[in-house]
This record gives sequence, structure tokens and C-alpha cells, in this order.
Amino acid sequence: QVQLQESGPGLVKPSQTLSLTCTVSGGSISSGSYYWSWIRQPAGKGLEWIGRIYTSGSTNYNPSLKSRVTISVDTSKNQFSLKLSSVTAADTAVYYCARDRYYDSSGYYYIAFDIWGQGTMVTVSS
Amino acid sequence: DIQMTQSPSSLSASVGDRVTITCRASQSISSYLNWYQQKPGKAPKLLIYAASSLQSGVPSRFSGSGSGTDFTLTISSLQPEDFATYYCQQSYSTLTSTFGQGTKLEIK
Repeated sequence: QVQLQESGPGLVKPSQTLSLTCTVSGGSISSGSYYWSWIRQPAGKGLEWIGRIYTSGSTNYNPSLKSRVTISVDTSKNQFSLKLSSVTAADTAVYYCARDRYYDSSGYYYIAFDIWGQGTMVTVSS
Repeated sequence: DIQMTQSPSSLSASVGDRVTITCRASQSISSYLNWYQQKPGKAPKLLIYAASSLQSGVPSRFSGSGSGTDFTLTISSLQPEDFATYYCQQSYSTLTSTFGQGTKLEIK
């Protein structure tokens, strides 16, 4: 049973870089056709997709965050990471890592977030 | 960008009721639509993918339908554990992904 676990500082100062790591357990991050995503949720608000990475290193980012986001993968550690630079209070949120899984339905391939980490709260404050 | 709009934003219902939540996309997304359930303090859980395919382990009282721009999530007979917030998400765009704003389902 694959599980995901986020880790990283819970408090980041404004203008600094937020750094989080997601550790994959119960399976190899390199096995299967999966992407690995970061998603965030401000308190009391909806979900915002941040970006994803494939184990080859190819990435897609949310256009609204693209200039500040870097997602990387370390297959030797079975981890992928998020860096968000120049943070402000608006970046305060629960950050989730998730697995993007491809499903074959009627000959077409669909992608969905099938496994999520428990989430980690990050507060941006001085 | 593809925008996703859910309605209603909140909904009150009773155990045993049949409930329908709607999600509309700003452009056609074929069947590239997923539904998630989120309970307070927990991560979202995948219920439906490809608009109408039930994720393994999800009770059959949940069903999804629609294609193009209009989609629905139906719970045939509400159970106490179904009171939660529900989100739709489009996966049509391979470059980005967007969620609806959520529908909070509360006990009447």
C-alpha cells in the first residue's frame, strides 16, 4: 500500500523560500506510469494545484505560480520536493502531495489524484 | 485556463436523501472530470474518475455522469459519513489542473 508523507518547516518568513518534501513509502516512486503532484489549500478555502513531476524530471506548473515554483525528484530517496520562492501571507496553507494515476477507461487514458499525503500546514509570518 | 464552477456552494440534506451536485466547465473537457470528498482535517479522497467511473472501494451509492461541460455527482441515499465537502477537478488539460470551489454538504 503506497503512502505519502509531507515534511518540512511549518513556519516560513515572508520573502523566503518554502521547502517541502514528500516521501513515498510502500512502493517505488519510479514504478508505473505516475506523476507526482503538490496541491495546497488555504484555511477554509478550496484546493489549488501547484504542479507535478514525472520521474524523468519533466514538470508542469500552475501558470499562476510558475515563476516561483520548482518541483524536483530524488528517486534514490523515493522523494519529491517543492520549493516556492518569495512567499507572502497568501501562501499560508495546508500543502498536500499526491500521486497522479492514469486510468484506462474505454480505451482512453484519464488522470486523477488517487493517493494523498495527510497534508502539512505552512504558515508564512515574521 | 479552464474554470470549474460547482453548484450549489452548500447544501443541507437528511440521511436517506438523494443528493445531486453539479459541476460546469468553462469549455468542453470531454469526460476528463474527477470528484473528490474531503472531511474536516483530512486529505481529499478520490470518488469518481473519468466522469463516471467509481474508484475502487467507494460505495456504489456514489455515481457520476456528464460529458462536455456539464457534470453531476449523485449520492443515491445519504449516509451519516457522507457529510463532507465535495470537489470536482478537470484533468483535460495535460499542462495544468483545476478544481471547483467545493460544495459543502451539511446535515439538515
